[in-house]
Amino acid sequence: DAGVIQSPRHEVTEMGQEVTLRCKPISGHNSLFWYRQTMMRGLELLIYFNNNVPIDDSGMPEDRFSAKMPNASFSTLKIQPSEPRDSAVYFCASSPTGDLLGYTFGSGTRLTVV
Amino acid sequence: TQLLEQSPQFLSIQEGENLTVYCNSSSVFSSLQWYRQEPGEGPVLLVTVVTGGEVKKLKRLTFQFGDARKDSSLHITAAQPGDTGLYLCAGGGSGNTGKLIFGQGTTLQVKP
Repeated sequence: DAGVIQSPRHEVTEMGQEVTLRCKPISGHNSLFWYRQTMMRGLELLIYFNNNVPIDDSGMPEDRFSAKMPNASFSTLKIQPSEPRDSAVYFCASSPTGDLLGYTFGSGTRLTVV
Repeated sequence: TQLLEQSPQFLSIQEGENLTVYCNSSSVFSSLQWYRQEPGEGPVLLVTVVTGGEVKKLKRLTFQFGDARKDSSLHITAAQPGDTGLYLCAGGGSGNTGKLIFGQGTTLQVKP
C-alpha cells in the first residue's frame, strides 16, 4: 500500500486566495482525520470522518475552513479566503475504525500564505 | 477538555546516554500511543498501550502506561543519533471514536 497520500506537498498562496488540500486515505481505513501542526500549538485536530461522514468539526477554526469526503478514497480541506495565520503544515491521517490501531499519517502539506 | 502535557519540551544529549520523556494528564485515556516524527514527514506510530501498568519494549525503547491510565513514559537506552526527532504521545478517549488527543511533543537531539 502506498500509504496516505497528500497533495500538494507545498503550497504558497497570496492572502485572500482559495486553497484546496487533498488526501487519499489507505484503502479499507474507515476513519479520516485532518490535523494542523504549528510550532506554537502543536498538532490540532480540525475535523474527522467515520465512513465518509463528518463526526466532529469542532476544531475547524472558522467558517473559512471546510472539509468534504465525497467517497471512501478522497477528502479535501478548503480554506477560502486564506489568511497569513493559516500558514502551517496540514496533515491527513487515516485509521481502521477505533483508536487502538493508531493512525497512518500522510507526509503533510506545508501551506504558506503571504 | 482532555489535555496531554509532555516534558521536557526539548532535550539535547550525547550519543550513548539514557533519557526519559513523560506524558501526563488529569484525564483517563482508554489507550495511549507514542509517535515519532522526522522533519518534513508525518508522525509514525511506535507503540500502543491499553492496560494500566502495561510495559512494552521496542529494542532500546521502553514504554509504560500508568496504573491509572492518566500518564505514560518513554525511556530510551543508549540513545543514538538516529533517535533524533519529535516524540508525540496521543491519548484515545472512551467510546471507541478513533479520535486521538496529541501532546505538544518532545524534541530530542542526539549528538554523535
